[in-house]
Parts: sequence; C-alpha cells; structure tokens
Amino acid sequence: GAGVSQSPSNKVTEKGKDVELRCDPISGHTALYWYRQRLGQGLEFLIYFQGNSAPDKSGLPSDRFSAERTGESVSTLTIQRTQQEDSAVYLCASSLGGTQGTQYFGPGTRLLVL
Amino acid sequence: DQQVKQNSPSLSVQEGRISILNCDYTNSMFDYFLWYKKYPAEGPTFLISISSIKDKNEDGRFTVFLNKSAKHLSLHIVPSQPGDSAVYFCAASTLNAGNMLTFGGGTRLMVKP
Repeated sequence: GAGVSQSPSNKVTEKGKDVELRCDPISGHTALYWYRQRLGQGLEFLIYFQGNSAPDKSGLPSDRFSAERTGESVSTLTIQRTQQEDSAVYLCASSLGGTQGTQYFGPGTRLLVL
Repeated sequence: DQQVKQNSPSLSVQEGRISILNCDYTNSMFDYFLWYKKYPAEGPTFLISISSIKDKNEDGRFTVFLNKSAKHLSLHIVPSQPGDSAVYFCAASTLNAGNMLTFGGGTRLMVKP
C-alpha cells in the first residue's frame, strides 16, 4: 500500500512569506505527527494529532506555526511570516495510534527561506 | 536539554564486520525505543524497536539491546554491508504521551567494501 506522502518536496520562499506544507498519511492511521530536522541535527517534534482529540502542540516553536488535520486524513502545516531559521526539512509521520509506537515517515519537505 | 543522545556522530566499519551504534537517554519514563535509518533526501525508515519490558530484540542482521539501569541502548548490525551506510537515529517514546518520538542527533555509519 501507499506510504506517507508529502508535498511539495522542495520549497524556496522569501523571508516574511507564508508557506503551507501538506501531508497525506497512510490510510487507516489515526495518529499523525510533524517533525522538523535542521541541518546536521536530529528530528524535533512539532505537533501530534490522534483521531478527533485536541492536537498536542507542545513542540511548536512559535505562534507563527500552526497545523490542521481533516478527520483522519490530510494534514497541513502552516508557517506564517517565515524566518531564515525556519529553513529545515519538515517530516510527517503516521501510525496506528494507541500503543502502536512505530511511526512511518514521509520523504519530507525541504524548506529554504532566503 | 537533550533527553536522547548519540555521542558518536560517525562510525566507519569494514564490510562483514560488526557495527555497534550507541544511544543514551536520561528520561526514565521512556518505555519504547526505536531505531530509524535515513538515506539522504529520504524520510527515516523504521528499522527495529524494543519495549522496556525486554532487554533484547533481534530481526535478521539487526539486534537492539536495552540496558534500563544504565539508560543505554545499542544497535548491532552483523554482518555489516555497504548498503547499510546511512544515518541511524535512535528514538524513544512514552506510550502514555501519545507516542511522540524524541530523537537522538544521529550517527552516520559508513561501511567500506
């Protein structure tokens, strides 16, 4: 079956512009996660959706970052007024949720803010 | 405050030999641990996991060992193959916290033919 897909694969934007990143999770996966990987670093947790529960936004670095999820399908991560330090690879993952800890990742969106 | 640490940024091993990648953690609440492998320009790929109720899990050439008292886990790859060359991330989660993963900084493994 299809894995997690993300779009766009690459995005170059100017400082101050807004960007929207999309994630399509694996069908049937109730949990969806966003992570960020800056150059040369590990992955940082951003936000987590589980079913219809309120999302866990504890990892979002500032109020310029927000995310939405439609039911148990597509999610969009929005970064407003982008800054150069937002440049990173943004990774989405999904899992079956509950006690199933294995997350499956998409290929990521490489964001470069000039 | 890094809760998961991989102290070796890189490791070079000869083909056919054993690769040992190490990971330390500080949060005693972690109860599930995973290793991911990442090739350039791709997302991380799940490799192997272990629950805190076990001290060893094996899958083919890959074995993960967990030492809870030392808060240490390791990934053994035997025998190492050139195709194993990638960045390896260890990750930890707390099942009661929605399984969000806390990652180490990664170790770049290079397997030389």
